[in-house]
Amino acid sequence: QQQVKQSPQSLIVQKGGISIINCAYENTAFDYFPWYQQFPGKGPALLIAIRPDVSEKKEGRFTISFNKSAKQFSLHIMDSQPGDSATYFCAATLMNRDDKIIFGKGTRLHILP
Amino acid sequence: DAGVIQSPRHEVTEMGQEVTLRCKPISGHDYLFWYRQTMMRGLELLIYFNNNVPIDDSGMPEDRFSAKMPNASFSTLKIQPSEPRDSAVYFCASSLGTWAGELFFGEGSRLTVL
Repeated sequence: QQQVKQSPQSLIVQKGGISIINCAYENTAFDYFPWYQQFPGKGPALLIAIRPDVSEKKEGRFTISFNKSAKQFSLHIMDSQPGDSATYFCAATLMNRDDKIIFGKGTRLHILP
Repeated sequence: DAGVIQSPRHEVTEMGQEVTLRCKPISGHDYLFWYRQTMMRGLELLIYFNNNVPIDDSGMPEDRFSAKMPNASFSTLKIQPSEPRDSAVYFCASSLGTWAGELFFGEGSRLTVL
């Protein structure tokens, strides 16, 4: 019940294309879904996050789409750039209970120049 | 703020040796986390502290691993004796007030056990 399943494991996208990473969770009590971005040799850093009371959140070229009934959420990167090449982790947690953050296993994204 | 500071950045050691990884969290943050990252298992939470007190160490793989936080500005993760399967990148992270919001990660300590 505590798992967050992330796919694909790796992704190659042409510059200017749309990168899509999908995640699914099991615990319907989760109420906070952050995405972390990790560049080689660095630690992960918060990219964008969503609460389940909205179906979409957009910040620049990054959009989270959330489907509560399907228990799925996804990250879309529009107009993907070589600088977006990184590992992306989705995650889920319970805000009010101050519970652990459960991370997906990550997606290695490579944007071709 | 300088962010979360970890040392050493790289450590190469031989099987059986003791390894100590160090972390200085962001000043004022009351949560500190130790994670391990491998290709196979992704990011694994090893242990976390709240106000210097260990709260959950259920992720510590075995008794060879131990962690301490003697004060609000310093934590160590020790592996004794080290084994080749401990080779990974170990991250320290800190946060303010809660799990949710934002975890601030250090740049990691890459451990290679020969």
